[in-house]
Amino acid sequence: GDSVTQMEGPVTLSEEAFLTINCTYTATGYPSLFWYVQYPGEGLQLLLKATKADDKGSNKGFEATYRKETTSFHLEKGSVQVSDSAVYFCALEQYQGGSEKLVFGKGTKLTVNP
Amino acid sequence: GAGVSQSPRYKVAKRGQDVALRCDPISGHVSLFWYQQALGQGPEFLTYFQNEAQLDKSGLPSDRFFAERPEGSVSTLKIQRTQQEDSAVYLCASSSRVRPQHFGDGTRLSIL
Repeated sequence: GDSVTQMEGPVTLSEEAFLTINCTYTATGYPSLFWYVQYPGEGLQLLLKATKADDKGSNKGFEATYRKETTSFHLEKGSVQVSDSAVYFCALEQYQGGSEKLVFGKGTKLTVNP
Repeated sequence: GAGVSQSPRYKVAKRGQDVALRCDPISGHVSLFWYQQALGQGPEFLTYFQNEAQLDKSGLPSDRFFAERPEGSVSTLKIQRTQQEDSAVYLCASSSRVRPQHFGDGTRLSIL
């Protein structure tokens, strides 16, 4: 079945460092791809999305490009802040047999130190 | 309301008790989803509703889990005869045709 693989964490960076969190997927067809962020004690918030190949999603300085040839959707930010400390989840949207659902990776915990 | 609302935020139950978790989706959202998130893991799909119809319950781990959405709005996830492995955060999400899934803050369930 469809699946998402994220780089293992935790990731610890200093403020203003460059961030990359790798995400690859396995899917039939061409699903929409998402990055969600989860702050401590909260639910998931949509960070960005891309619906087709070569689309670039962006929000709050974060970017990710839908790469069909490498089945990847890596998350990047040029200069992280302490407030970016959270858990980041890559996900794909699966449509099958009249149902729809999100399939998530295991998450990558990011800590940004001042 | 402005967002997806879940209650209670925290629930502690003794093994063997029944629990009920409530989800109030964003007004007008047709689709509603339940996910289970174990500690340190990504959310795992449980079930999906379109209006009042439960179109997919393939993720429910056992017949002790039951979900309903009788009027196509509020949904309840019920777990009967709880076990320790049911301890997790239960997330509810809703969506419309043109908007992606929006999540509530979840209910953290602890089974003693």
